[in-house]
Amino acid sequence: DGGITQSPKYLFRKEGQNVTLSCEQNLNHDAMYWYRQDPGQGLRLIYYSQIVNDFQKGDIAEGYSVSREKKESFPLTVTSAQKNPTAFYLCASSVLTSGGAVEQFFGPGTRLTVL
Amino acid sequence: GQNIDQPTEMTATEGAIVQINCTYQTSGFNGLFWYQQHAGEAPTFLSYNVLDGLEEKGRFSSFLSRSKGYSYLLLKELQMKDSASYLCAVSPGANNLFFGTGTRLTVIP
Repeated sequence: DGGITQSPKYLFRKEGQNVTLSCEQNLNHDAMYWYRQDPGQGLRLIYYSQIVNDFQKGDIAEGYSVSREKKESFPLTVTSAQKNPTAFYLCASSVLTSGGAVEQFFGPGTRLTVL
Repeated sequence: GQNIDQPTEMTATEGAIVQINCTYQTSGFNGLFWYQQHAGEAPTFLSYNVLDGLEEKGRFSSFLSRSKGYSYLLLKELQMKDSASYLCAVSPGANNLFFGTGTRLTVIP
C-alpha cells in the first residue's frame, strides 16, 4: 500500500540529546514537509523539501535540521538547541505543482517527549 | 503575514447539523482545505475549495467566499465518530499550506 510511515510512534529522550525522527514515503511525491503540533495550536511548518538535496526553512526551523538524500526519505533531527522539543511531529508529502494548491498526505506522527 | 481564525471548540448533538467557520487573511490564495484529525492521529483530507461556492461530498460540505476571506465546513447527520478536530488550511502559494489552530468538535448523544 502507498503511504507515509513515521517511526517510532512514541519517543522519549533526555534533555540535551539530539534525536532523529524518520519519515518515509512510497507515493513518489517530490515534496515533503515536517510540522510540529502543540496542544491548542495548529500545525506549524518546520522544514520542507521540494527536491532531493534541497530544503527550505519553515516558520519554526530553529533547533531543527533535515536532510533529503533520497526522494523517499526526509528525516528530521531535533537538536539540543530546540528549547521546547516535546510535541507531536507530523511528516507530510505532496506532488509538486507549478501553480495551484495540492493536497498534502500525512504520516501517523511521532510523539516526542523530552524528560 | 498569514492568519486563520476558527472557533476553538464546538459541541453538537448526534444527528444534528453543525457549521464550523474559518476566516483567513493570507498573502496569496491558491485554495482552501479542510482536514479532519482524531486525537493523536494524522490529519486526513476532507475537502478543497478554490472557487466561490459550495462543494458537497456526502455528509460534509464546504463553502468558500474569496472576497470575504471566509469558509465553512458543514457536517450533517452528525455521528459520534465525527468527534475530532477540524483544521482549516489555506495555500498562500504553490506547494505550501498554512494551518489554523483547528476546531475541536464534540458530538454528544
